[in-house]
Amino acid sequence: DAGVTQSPTHLIKTRGQQVTLRCSPKSGHDTVSWYQQALGQGPQFIFQYYEEEERQRGNFPDRFSGHQFPNYSSELNVNALLLGDSALYLCASSLGLGNQPQHFGDGTRLSIL
Amino acid sequence: SQQGEEDPQALSIQEGENATMNCSYKTSINNLQWYRQNSGRGLVHLILIRSNEREKHSGRLRVTLDTSKKSSSLLITASRAADTASYFCATINSGNTPLVFGKGTRLSVIA
Repeated sequence: DAGVTQSPTHLIKTRGQQVTLRCSPKSGHDTVSWYQQALGQGPQFIFQYYEEEERQRGNFPDRFSGHQFPNYSSELNVNALLLGDSALYLCASSLGLGNQPQHFGDGTRLSIL
Repeated sequence: SQQGEEDPQALSIQEGENATMNCSYKTSINNLQWYRQNSGRGLVHLILIRSNEREKHSGRLRVTLDTSKKSSSLLITASRAADTASYFCATINSGNTPLVFGKGTRLSVIA
């Protein structure tokens, strides 16, 4: 039973570039949430996708966008990268909307130079 | 913004001792969840306690919730070196609101 998988594991970009991160949810899950975790901090909610629509959004600028595909996998896109975007980006999946426990992937470590 | 605040920020104990971590939050909640994160890895869900529950157990874990004080505690009994990790509390306010995490407690268990 495959858990949540994220790719790539590490990524280095420069300021102003664009990046796409990918996530496959745990088998049987249909809801994907994305979080940003700065060093030494707790995860911060970016947005949640269900039925290919963005359902909830945290306090992040429009440079952060996403997509969910019919197979429930998801992408996180960040445009015009800033140094402050350097963080661990975590994807979490669950079944349906509501207050279910989240299953997390190991994240993508994004470094901006 | 972060809803929960864990206390202490860091904790170092000997193997076999008990570890207690506390979490305080600001607004009414539907439920509170505890997660563990090993260095460089994703978070692992440990336990969920609903707002109408006061205590839950799972193996060596014991979680309490005091909604009048807006606080929760996580007790790990008979700690092991493998328990070394960061522990986060996360709250859900209602319905489909997202998880709001605290900054976590870094636990070090020394063999």
